[in-house]
Amino acid sequence: DVKVTQSSRYLVKRTGEKVFLECVQDMDHENMFWYRQDPGLGLRLIYFSYDVKMKEKGDIPEGYSVSREKKERFSLILESASTNQTSMYLCASSTRGGGQETQYFGPGTRLLVL
Amino acid sequence: QKEVEQNSGPLSVPEGAIASLNCTYSDRGSQSFFWYRQYSGKSPELIMFIYSNGDKEDGRFTAQLNKASQYVSLLIRDSQPSDSATYLCASDTGRRALTFGSGTRLQVQP
Repeated sequence: DVKVTQSSRYLVKRTGEKVFLECVQDMDHENMFWYRQDPGLGLRLIYFSYDVKMKEKGDIPEGYSVSREKKERFSLILESASTNQTSMYLCASSTRGGGQETQYFGPGTRLLVL
Repeated sequence: QKEVEQNSGPLSVPEGAIASLNCTYSDRGSQSFFWYRQYSGKSPELIMFIYSNGDKEDGRFTAQLNKASQYVSLLIRDSQPSDSATYLCASDTGRRALTFGSGTRLQVQP
């Protein structure tokens, strides 16, 4: 079974703090993704990576950066946390395929920025 | 216009009935479509995917795709209270990342 783990289930941070969210997958997947999920807005893609050291902006990259130094690990960084970044953050991974790339999700990190 | 549209619900059905969840998409380049189930406070889990026009069945679940009408649906037969969740429709436009709808909340009444 694919396993995607995230470093924290719940996180409380203060405005202006630098926040690191870590994601690790154990299935040797090429692709990894960071989403945020807010009520009424669904899942929105922040960044994704299709290879080590490669990254692409998603739909809402502003205020975020990412790092992928190893294939199994994809980090999301909030350089200076703001209250509007309070959200549920979901990491996912998938293998490279021909358009049928099932994404497997981690358990999520619920971030509260005060 | 959102790329993947779903009615937010809640859709309420009695136990044992067929639940019909619908999704429309705007990008004709979309190749594959996925249905995820998400219980409250949990992460999405894949139910099934479909990429060819027509029906695809897996147990109590049937996905239907009509590319001409840009329409995807998920039927759940013999609905159970444990099926109560939010169902997310997603499309794959070939850029590796999926585009998700906002989800439809399903309530199955015992």
